Amino acid sequence: AQSVTQLGSHVSVSEGALVLLRCNYSSSVPPYLFWYVQYPNQGLQLLLKYTSAATLVKGINGFEAEFKKSETSFHLTKPSAHMSDAAEYFCAVSPIRGNLIFGKGTKLSVKP
Amino acid sequence: DTGVSQDPRHKITKRGQNVTFRCDPISEHNRLYWYRQTLGQGPEFLTYFQNEAQLEKSRLLSDRFSAERPKGSFSTLEIQRTEQGDSAMYLCASSLDGRDTQYFGPGTRLTVL
Repeated sequence: AQSVTQLGSHVSVSEGALVLLRCNYSSSVPPYLFWYVQYPNQGLQLLLKYTSAATLVKGINGFEAEFKKSETSFHLTKPSAHMSDAAEYFCAVSPIRGNLIFGKGTKLSVKP
Repeated sequence: DTGVSQDPRHKITKRGQNVTFRCDPISEHNRLYWYRQTLGQGPEFLTYFQNEAQLEKSRLLSDRFSAERPKGSFSTLEIQRTEQGDSAMYLCASSLDGRDTQYFGPGTRLTVL
């Protein structure tokens, strides 16, 4: 069975600091992995996705994630946080049939 | 704009009433998904359609829930005899096929009093 664990329900960083949001997955098949961002009372917006091509995936708004099979991880990073990055971030894995299995989310706060 | 749209955005109802939500996917997308998101949790899969065929239903989808996608276009999700535990955000997503990127709508927030 597939599952996703996001370490840290809440992460706080200062503006300009590195953002690191952690995601570990479990999958019995080669995984497709996704990061989505959700702003309050809105739907989810895709940040980036991994589909077994390059292990370092670049997404929108300066975010990127690295697929590490040996560590079953897909952590999300951004070199310099901006106030507009404050939101909730969800990591998800897609089994073969296509529905997404989400982690519980990490709420990112950015301090001025 | 040809994104996923959902209607209504908010719904307040009394326990025991029936409610129906609508989702209009991105045109030409074959797959349509419904998810439910409660406070502090990630979205949980409910069901999905490939064109007009409902291919899978989660155990979360009790007998009070029914979903349709007539003609493979828009979809409706109906909840009968609502309970307070049904209060959640209901999200719809669509994709071209299989494991393609899913694009989400803004969601319908249901509050059951």
